Amino acid sequence: DAGVTQSPTHLIKTRGQQVTLRCSPKSGHDTVSWYQQALGQGPQFIFQYYEEEERQRGNFPDRFSGHQFPNYSSELNVNALLLGDSALYLCASSPRVMNTEAFFGQGTRLTVV
Amino acid sequence: EDKVVQSPLSLVVHEGDTVTLNCSYEVTNFRSLLWYKQEKKAPTFLFMLTSSGIEKKSGRLSSILDKKELFSILNITATQTGDSAIYLCAVRGDSGGSNYKLTFGKGTLLTVNP
Repeated sequence: DAGVTQSPTHLIKTRGQQVTLRCSPKSGHDTVSWYQQALGQGPQFIFQYYEEEERQRGNFPDRFSGHQFPNYSSELNVNALLLGDSALYLCASSPRVMNTEAFFGQGTRLTVV
Repeated sequence: EDKVVQSPLSLVVHEGDTVTLNCSYEVTNFRSLLWYKQEKKAPTFLFMLTSSGIEKKSGRLSSILDKKELFSILNITATQTGDSAIYLCAVRGDSGGSNYKLTFGKGTLLTVNP
């Protein structure tokens, strides 16, 4: 079992650019959530997808958008990058059974310069 | 808005010591509290505590949940250098969303010196 996989592992972008991060959930999981973890902070919930729709969203601007594909993999898109978007972006997957543990990927370290 | 406060924010101990990490929370319609260990990037799951399971133990790690006082503790006995990591506490509530997002604290950075 490959677990949750994310790509790329590291990324450097310039202010104003756009970025796409990818996530493949653990086998058997159909729900994907995205989190942003700034240095010295805990992960902050961005949004959650299942059945190819955004189901819940945290306090993030519309520059952050996502998508889920029929195979349950997901993308996170960030437009008009700001320096403050520099962070570790974590993907978590879980089955659609309520109240279970979420499994995290290794994350994508995004640096905006 | 859901809120999680962890203390201390950092802790330095010697191998063999016992540590207690604290987590207090405010959440709408509590569902569960989860502990994760984050060494480099991926948080790895340790425990999940719910109304029907308020105490968990695995080897040298144990955790309890006090739903009345709204806090949890994570205990690590006979610490080893491999326990050095950030320990994250998260809560899950039901505020009308689906599958319940996790709200995390800032974490406790534990350093175990040989």
